[in-house]
Amino acid sequence: DGGITQSPKYLFRKEGQNVTLSCEQNLNHDAMYWYRQDPGQGLRLIYYSQIVNDFQKGDIAEGYSVSREKKESFPLTVTSAQKNPTAFYLCASSPRGHNTEAFFGQGTRLTVV
Amino acid sequence: RKEVEQDPGPFNVPEGATVAFNCTYSNSASQSFFWYRQDCRKEPKLLMSVYSSGNEDGRFTAQLNRASQYISLLIRDSKLSDSATYLCVVNIETTTDSWGKLQFGAGTQVVVTP
Repeated sequence: DGGITQSPKYLFRKEGQNVTLSCEQNLNHDAMYWYRQDPGQGLRLIYYSQIVNDFQKGDIAEGYSVSREKKESFPLTVTSAQKNPTAFYLCASSPRGHNTEAFFGQGTRLTVV
Repeated sequence: RKEVEQDPGPFNVPEGATVAFNCTYSNSASQSFFWYRQDCRKEPKLLMSVYSSGNEDGRFTAQLNRASQYISLLIRDSKLSDSATYLCVVNIETTTDSWGKLQFGAGTQVVVTP
């Protein structure tokens, strides 16, 4: 079955540690996105990529890094520079074009302990 | 000013009633529009795309007003299962991107009561 997979579902991190969230899709989509959602808040765009080996900062990129070495994969690293990393992280992908919907993974809940 | 703005609600709606809410966007070059539904602690899922002429999907009707830069969602005959947060999504064209990026509103919470 085609889809987008995020792992792990829950992640605990000690302060000062970097952590990488996985996002894989087998939908052959060109574009991939990372969003952050805080309780009672909407989705805020962290990074997005529309083609392999290229990505752009979203609205809240500070303290995060990404790579897009393969079309299927768009991992997000939450670095120690991110001051408040506890949140729900959502990865999405969409085909090329304007009138295309985004498909989401089930999300990763990151908690800093 | 946020690129996509929504009334956070909550909109408390009696079962069987009609509820409508809007979403405004600031970038006039926005190309495409969607409504997503998000249940508590779950990922968003596409409810419907919004077309220029307006479109209907069962009890749901979406409208686009380009002149005033807003889209709307109307839910008729509300069901308890319609309780969720409804996210407005705009595909925003930028100077460097060929087809833009997806920008989400903060969501409108709808609570349908018996």
